[in-house]
Amino acid sequence: DTGVSQNPRHKITKRGQNVTFRCDPISEHNRLYWYRQTLGQGPEFLTYFQNEAQLEKSRLLSDRFSAERPKGSFSTLEIQRTEQGDSAMYLCASSPLAGVIHEQYFGPGTRLTVT
Amino acid sequence: QKEVEQDPGPLSVPEGAIVSLNCTYSNSAFQYFMWYRQYSRKGPELLMYTYSSGNKEDGRFTAQVDKSSKYISLFIRDSQPSDSATYLCAMSDNTDKLIFGTGTRLQVFP
Repeated sequence: DTGVSQNPRHKITKRGQNVTFRCDPISEHNRLYWYRQTLGQGPEFLTYFQNEAQLEKSRLLSDRFSAERPKGSFSTLEIQRTEQGDSAMYLCASSPLAGVIHEQYFGPGTRLTVT
Repeated sequence: QKEVEQDPGPLSVPEGAIVSLNCTYSNSAFQYFMWYRQYSRKGPELLMYTYSSGNKEDGRFTAQVDKSSKYISLFIRDSQPSDSATYLCAMSDNTDKLIFGTGTRLQVFP
């Protein structure tokens, strides 16, 4: 059973450019989460999906951020007009619908550097 | 004040020592408590999950929750150099959102 995968692993972009990250959850996991982690801090919740429905969005998720999960499988997180403050590790996690929903399994993350 | 407080360390111990990692929290609605281990430049790995108060043991790891004091702990027995990592506590109420501490960096030296 493969874990959560994320692509790309690293992304360097210039300020003002748009970037898109992809997350593939553990198969048959219905819930999918996005977090952001900056250096020396714990992950901060951004948004989550149950199947294809986006159920909650953090106030951290400005209008420049959008997440989708078409067909309830993989998810994408897009950041438009990137700013230097967007530099962080973007983590994806998934958990099964049945059972313990708080057992979230994380992927390796996408490290974004905005220059 | 943050909802979850965790000493960032670093904590440096010799191999074989018992390690105690702790978090305090302010939100009495938290019922679910997790410990994650994160190696440098990797994603967090779930170590322990506890619901409500009490103890839970898994191999060399023991998690304790004291809801009356709003205090949780992770103990690592017979620590190994491979345990060197950042340990994150995380909590949740009845929602799916996890609230993390800042993480404690642990170094176990041979």
